Amino acid sequence: DTAVSQTPKYLVTQMGNDKSIKCEQNLGHDTMYWYKQDSKKFLKIMFSYNNKELIINETVPNRFSPKSPDKAHLNLHINSLELGDSAVYFCASSPTGGGQPQHFGDGTRLSIL
Amino acid sequence: DQQVKQNSPSLSVQEGRISILNCDYTNSMFDYFLWYKKYPAEGPTFLISISSIKDKNEDGRFTVFLNKSAKHLSLHIVPSQPGDSAVYFCAASRGSSNTGKLIFGQGTTLQVKP
Repeated sequence: DTAVSQTPKYLVTQMGNDKSIKCEQNLGHDTMYWYKQDSKKFLKIMFSYNNKELIINETVPNRFSPKSPDKAHLNLHINSLELGDSAVYFCASSPTGGGQPQHFGDGTRLSIL
Repeated sequence: DQQVKQNSPSLSVQEGRISILNCDYTNSMFDYFLWYKKYPAEGPTFLISISSIKDKNEDGRFTVFLNKSAKHLSLHIVPSQPGDSAVYFCAASRGSSNTGKLIFGQGTTLQVKP
């Protein structure tokens, strides 16, 4: 039974398009995250939601908009895709509180043509 | 400014021997440290963590050591097994911030040879 699931696993699209990535967790966690892993393999946090409330918003272009309809779901919508958006995007979840281990999905590989 | 660094991009060890992966950090406000393992095409999987009030935490074949004065931690795997071959990420957080924000190092690729 998958704990954190992301869809799609692969996303290939043209520059300028708008796309969404969905994430769902069945662990009962209150906090969910989006990370970006760039070509240099760095994992960097983008956003975090706690009980549907945005608590972390790193310096991310406003073309990226997270949406949390409920605490089990955190979706990522990206407008006007650019070449530099090509990366692997990971969703994660954890119980509330610092130092709690985060559980990651398997990632969505986004390729911009 | 890279606050968490893993200076060895790769490490190769023989099966049965010890693997030692290192991690350095610069922010003295970090008080939780975690290690993750990642296989290709999968997400990172939590391995082991340590709080800054401890200097050692052990879980089976995995032990993490923390040296706060040196701002250094290491992950020891004994004995190493071929299935341990993966990318290992060190991560740090400020527990007091309560946001759960993790700062990751760039990873070390471990290869365990049979």
